[in-house]
Amino acid sequence: AQSVAQPEDQVNVAEGNPLTVKCTYSVSGNPYLFWYVQYPNRGLQFLLKYITGDNLVKGSYGFEAEFNKSQTSFHLKKPSALVSDSALYFCAVRGPANAGKSTFGDGTTLTVKP
Amino acid sequence: EAGVAQSPRYKIIEKRQSVAFWCNPISGHATLYWYQQILGQGPKLLIQFQNNGVVDDSQLPKDRFSAERLKGVDSTLKIQPAKLEDSAVYLCASSYGQGTSEQYFGPGTRLTVT
Repeated sequence: AQSVAQPEDQVNVAEGNPLTVKCTYSVSGNPYLFWYVQYPNRGLQFLLKYITGDNLVKGSYGFEAEFNKSQTSFHLKKPSALVSDSALYFCAVRGPANAGKSTFGDGTTLTVKP
Repeated sequence: EAGVAQSPRYKIIEKRQSVAFWCNPISGHATLYWYQQILGQGPKLLIQFQNNGVVDDSQLPKDRFSAERLKGVDSTLKIQPAKLEDSAVYLCASSYGQGTSEQYFGPGTRLTVT
């Protein structure tokens, strides 16, 4: 069975500092990995995905994520955090054998303080 | 481009009553998903359709939950009878394809069962 772990319920950073939101996964075969963001009172929005190729993928709003196969991780990063980045972030994984079934982590709340 | 539409946005019912949710996906998206999101957890897939066929319903409590996607466009999710533990946000999402395609989420329906 596939699974996702987001080990930190909450991440706090100061505006202008780099941020990292961690994600590790377990899946049979090569993974398809996704990050979604949920702003208050808004639906989940797609940020970025890793399918194949370059391990560093870039997405919306200046976010990027690094796929590390040996550590089964897909951490979300941003070089300089903004207060407006404060939101709930979800990592999700799909395995190629699961016909597109996604498994989501339980989310990490990012708070960026001025 | 119009997003995923869901209705109602909020619903309060008593246990043992029935309730139905409606979803209209993004035009041209063949894959439609229903998720249950309990407070503090990530979305959990209930059922996934590819056009009007079911791809995965392994986590759908079939004794009380049912879903259909007639004509491969709109979808309804029904709960009958509802239990207290069904209180959650029900999310509908759609994607162009499966596997590598990102999902687009609707605003969700917040269900409270009293």
